[in-house]
Amino acid sequence: GIQVEQSPPDLILQEGANSTLRCNFSDSVNNLQWFHQNPWGQLINLFYIPSGTKQNGRLSATTVATERYSLLYISSSQTTDSGVYFCAARSGYSTLTFGKGTMLLVSP
Amino acid sequence: DTEVTQTPKHLVMGMTNKKSLKCEQHMGHRAMYWYKQKAKKPPELMFVYSYEKLSINESVPSRFSPECPNSSLLNLHLHALQPEDSALYLCASSPGVGYNSPLHFGNGTRLTVT
Repeated sequence: GIQVEQSPPDLILQEGANSTLRCNFSDSVNNLQWFHQNPWGQLINLFYIPSGTKQNGRLSATTVATERYSLLYISSSQTTDSGVYFCAARSGYSTLTFGKGTMLLVSP
Repeated sequence: DTEVTQTPKHLVMGMTNKKSLKCEQHMGHRAMYWYKQKAKKPPELMFVYSYEKLSINESVPSRFSPECPNSSLLNLHLHALQPEDSALYLCASSPGVGYNSPLHFGNGTRLTVT
């Protein structure tokens, strides 16, 4: 099945800083999603982005399907951005495969 | 993303108990999923229902029994669980099981087996 690798595994930021999270995948994808899991366990759908670029407030994402990677940008980070960010991808008729996540801590 | 509702939020049960987790969505989605998530790990797929029929069972032990009474409801019946089954159980739904169907997750049930 498809392999999904995320980097970095951990990230610590000062409030107000910008960051880029990366997701590499091993096969062509027909579904790619970014999720944020907050400290209470809620898994929130950030972007559905198998290709192209999308923006939602301070967050944006770009997937370059031909080069098999996706990036999640967080600008002007806030403490509420803390948590784990998961990338999940699907290839062909397989089920969605999750990466191991990037744990982000934003300190005041 | 709170359009998928899970109850209860927390559950503590003994190894001889029988309990059920419930999940409900009113987005008209036709696919529903159960995931299990251990601490510091990504979610792991357990079951997929498509149009109220079980389409995927990821070799889950029989002490976990899913049920889909209708297209809006998904249950997970628990019996004779082990302490290692303690985890966050997440329900999700999607418009279909096709490739262009993004998943939407509920807030989860945190299960502790004593």
